[in-house]
Amino acid sequence: GENVGLHLPTLSVQEGDNSIINCAYSNSASDYFIWYKQESGKGPQFIIDIRSNMDKRQGQRVTVLLNKTVKHLSLQIAATQPGDSAVYFCAEKMRSGGSNYKLTFGKGTLLTVNP
Amino acid sequence: SQTIHQWPATLVQPVGSPLSLECTVEGTSNPNLYWYRQAAGRGLQLLFYSVGIGQISSEVPQNLSASRPQDRQFILSSKKLLLSDSGFYLCAWSVRDSYNEQFFGPGTRLTVL
Repeated sequence: GENVGLHLPTLSVQEGDNSIINCAYSNSASDYFIWYKQESGKGPQFIIDIRSNMDKRQGQRVTVLLNKTVKHLSLQIAATQPGDSAVYFCAEKMRSGGSNYKLTFGKGTLLTVNP
Repeated sequence: SQTIHQWPATLVQPVGSPLSLECTVEGTSNPNLYWYRQAAGRGLQLLFYSVGIGQISSEVPQNLSASRPQDRQFILSSKKLLLSDSGFYLCAWSVRDSYNEQFFGPGTRLTVL
């Protein structure tokens, strides 16, 4: 089964509110995590990443929090805008044989922003 | 800057027909390359990855194959398509020996009838 999952498959917020999207992972040895945004019919776009030696990282209007104790990852979007409506995926870097690694993606959360 | 191309953008094929999807990357050398499939409303499933020309690793047993004839070209193929092969196929690249951030192409929507 998948090692990365999401608590909420859908999230609906009002424009201007803050959004929080959650993700759980099971591999305590994972050392790198990414959040992607995927708009309908398009490929995923990188939003922000975080290494396991950090517990918080901020970008433009986005913040990723990593809680290694409970193996939980969250993406916070400040002042959510209609353009933020998309599916958001978390991904975890895992070993894939020998010295190779792969990203394992969660199922995704659909964020809908209401004007 | 680096760009990644996929074609065709959409494809409708009958069951039993062959498949060839192409992915090319510009602006970088020796990338890692990846093929993913995304079923409707689902996450991304890694199908194949390649760390060099002619080097292909398969993640899941399936009806598909991949080839890398050139450094920046990655091809996904099938000899006979199944209904279950329908989906959104995404190609991605990452910096060689870096398995961190992956950059995705625009995808190909495949419908098998």
